[in-house]
Amino acid sequence: GAVVSQHPSRVICKSGTSVKIECRSLDFQATTMFWYRQFPKQSLMLMATSNEGSKATYEQGVEKDKFLINHASLTLSTLTVTSAHPEDSSFYICSAPGPWAYEQYFGPGTRLTVT
Amino acid sequence: SQQGEEDPQALSIQEGENATMNCSYKTSINNLQWYRQNSGRGLVHLILIRSNEREKHSGRLRVTLDTSKKSSSLLITASRAADTASYFCATDAGGSRLTFGEGTQLTVNP
Repeated sequence: GAVVSQHPSRVICKSGTSVKIECRSLDFQATTMFWYRQFPKQSLMLMATSNEGSKATYEQGVEKDKFLINHASLTLSTLTVTSAHPEDSSFYICSAPGPWAYEQYFGPGTRLTVT
Repeated sequence: SQQGEEDPQALSIQEGENATMNCSYKTSINNLQWYRQNSGRGLVHLILIRSNEREKHSGRLRVTLDTSKKSSSLLITASRAADTASYFCATDAGGSRLTFGEGTQLTVNP
């Protein structure tokens, strides 16, 4: 089946620094990828849609200048959390529509802790 | 914004029993999907049901969809301790953007 990877799996950073999270589709091309955030014991909240070769589309209430998304190739999207604060600590998950209709493949997630 | 509501929020059963989780949504959909998430892990796709389908089976899973009531249910039969996880429904209204329900935490006791 299609595989999506994320790197890193865990990251701890200091308040005010920036953190980059990578999402890769390993055996298929993805012109679109999705970024979700999940707080403890809560559901996934869609943050933005990453589009290869064009600007990302952000959901209402998500600061595009804080969460920078770059979809530079057909297999890689990156999410950069800029000037991170403790309230940005969360589980960030990406997904990509697979080569077959309707199914989506999720990465294993990245646990971000901002101290 | 999240449109899905799931109930129950938490469900604890004994091994061998059946587990039923329900999901409601608000807008028209192309399909509804169920996912499983083990603690601190990514999501695993379980089953997809299209808007023109009413019931679907996959192994020990049975999913129903009632578009008139905008609701779906997931039944896991003969549960096992390894089924312990969070289960989420997600609706696709088009463009592969998924809206997730709040989730049900299932605990299967050995």
